[in-house]
Amino acid sequence: DTGVSQDPRHKITKRGQNVTFRCDPISEHNRLYWYRQTLGQGPEFLTYFQNEAQLEKSRLLSDRFSAERPKGSFSTLEIQRTEQGDSAMYLCASSLMGVSTDTQYFGPGTRLTVL
Amino acid sequence: TQLLEQSPQFLSIQEGENLTVYCNSSSVFSSLQWYRQEPGEGPVLLVTVVTGGEVKKLKRLTFQFGDARKDSSLHITAAQPGDTGLYLCAGGQGYSTLTFGKGTMLLVSP
Repeated sequence: DTGVSQDPRHKITKRGQNVTFRCDPISEHNRLYWYRQTLGQGPEFLTYFQNEAQLEKSRLLSDRFSAERPKGSFSTLEIQRTEQGDSAMYLCASSLMGVSTDTQYFGPGTRLTVL
Repeated sequence: TQLLEQSPQFLSIQEGENLTVYCNSSSVFSSLQWYRQEPGEGPVLLVTVVTGGEVKKLKRLTFQFGDARKDSSLHITAAQPGDTGLYLCAGGQGYSTLTFGKGTMLLVSP
C-alpha cells in the first residue's frame, strides 16, 4: 500500500543549518498539504498545492520556509537558517479533489529538533 | 478566525468504561473529520461526517455531527487500552485546509 510517506522520519540539526524534508503523497491525489505540529497542539496549516501549483500559504510560513511540488507528485519543504523555534513535527497530507469531501490522509511526519 | 475547541483536554479511564469527547466551534463547517494520533506518528483518519445530524459508527466508536454543523462528539463504548491516543477533530470548508482542535489525550488503563 501506498499511503503518504515522509522522509526522513527524524532530523536533528544545529541552529543556522538548512534542512529539507520530502513527502510522497498517495499516488492519485492531486492535493498536497504541509502542517506543523508542536507539543500539546493540533496540526497547524503551512501551505498546500493543487498539482504543481502552490495555492495558499499560511502566515506561519516565514520567508525562511519554501515548499515545492515540481511535477505535481512529491513535494519538498525546505527550512533555511533553522531556529530553535522551528523544532516541531512536520506533517504532510494528501487528498483527491473531485470527491464530495476533501478528506486528508496524513503521513507519519518528520520530527525536527534544532539544537 | 475559525477555532475548534475540544474537551476534555485529558481523560484517564479504566478499561471497560464509556467516554465521550466533544468538539465545538462557533463556525459552520462543511465537513468534520476525526483522527487518532499516537506519539511520534501522524494522525490516522477515523471518520468524516458531512451532514448535520449525521451519526456514524465504527465498531465501538460513535461519531455525531451537530445539526448546525458547528459541533461534533465521539463516544467510545467499553474502552480498551488500544484506544489510547490523541483524538483530534478537524473542520473543513469544502476544498480547503483543515482547522484542527488541540486534541483530547485519552489514556485507557488495563
